[in-house]
Amino acid sequence: AQTVTQSQPEMSVQEAETVTLSCTYDTSESDYYLFWYKQPPSRQMILVIRQEAYKQQNATENRFSVNFQKAAKSFSLKISDSQLGDAAMYFCASQTNYGGSQGNLIFGKGTKLSVKP
Amino acid sequence: ETGVTQTPRHLVMGMTNKKSLKCEQHLGHNAMYWYKQSAKKPLELMFVYNFKEQTENNSVPSRFSPECPNSSHLFLHLHTLQPEDSALYLCASSQERGRDTEAFFGQGTRLTVV
Repeated sequence: AQTVTQSQPEMSVQEAETVTLSCTYDTSESDYYLFWYKQPPSRQMILVIRQEAYKQQNATENRFSVNFQKAAKSFSLKISDSQLGDAAMYFCASQTNYGGSQGNLIFGKGTKLSVKP
Repeated sequence: ETGVTQTPRHLVMGMTNKKSLKCEQHLGHNAMYWYKQSAKKPLELMFVYNFKEQTENNSVPSRFSPECPNSSHLFLHLHTLQPEDSALYLCASSQERGRDTEAFFGQGTRLTVV
């Protein structure tokens, strides 16, 4: 079974600074995807970034980038030049591509990010 | 607006009531999902429908009954709920169930059982 662990219930960052959110996961699969979702107060989950496990290159999406360490099963999210609009809950998720749970997203408990002006 | 709409946004119901949550997607997707989001817990996958067929029931109590009449609509029928069922219920859709499919979420229904 897949599990996703986010060890930081809350994080805070100063506007324009950089913050890193941690995520570790456990899976027996070799082919899977990893995601970071953002949930603002509006409650709508929005995909921030995703990483294919077979790609060694870390995914980047504008100010958002990941540090994917496959051997360590670690998938952290770095937010650069933080903006007030980045304040939200951030969820790490994994998705396996085979077996009975194919396609299912497995989420961590989330990290609440606050951005200070 | 991501194309997944959930109604109602908020619902308060008694333990003996019967109510339904509705989800509608306008993205042409074939897979739809119900998730339960409780405080301080990971999102829990409840049900998965792929091409209108239920492909997963994650040991959900029978007081929750899903219905998927077509690929665009998904319902969650509720009856004789318990206070611990109070949570945010999120609907999502994806092109189809499987690899490399991005899920799009609705804004959820905040359910309170009294």
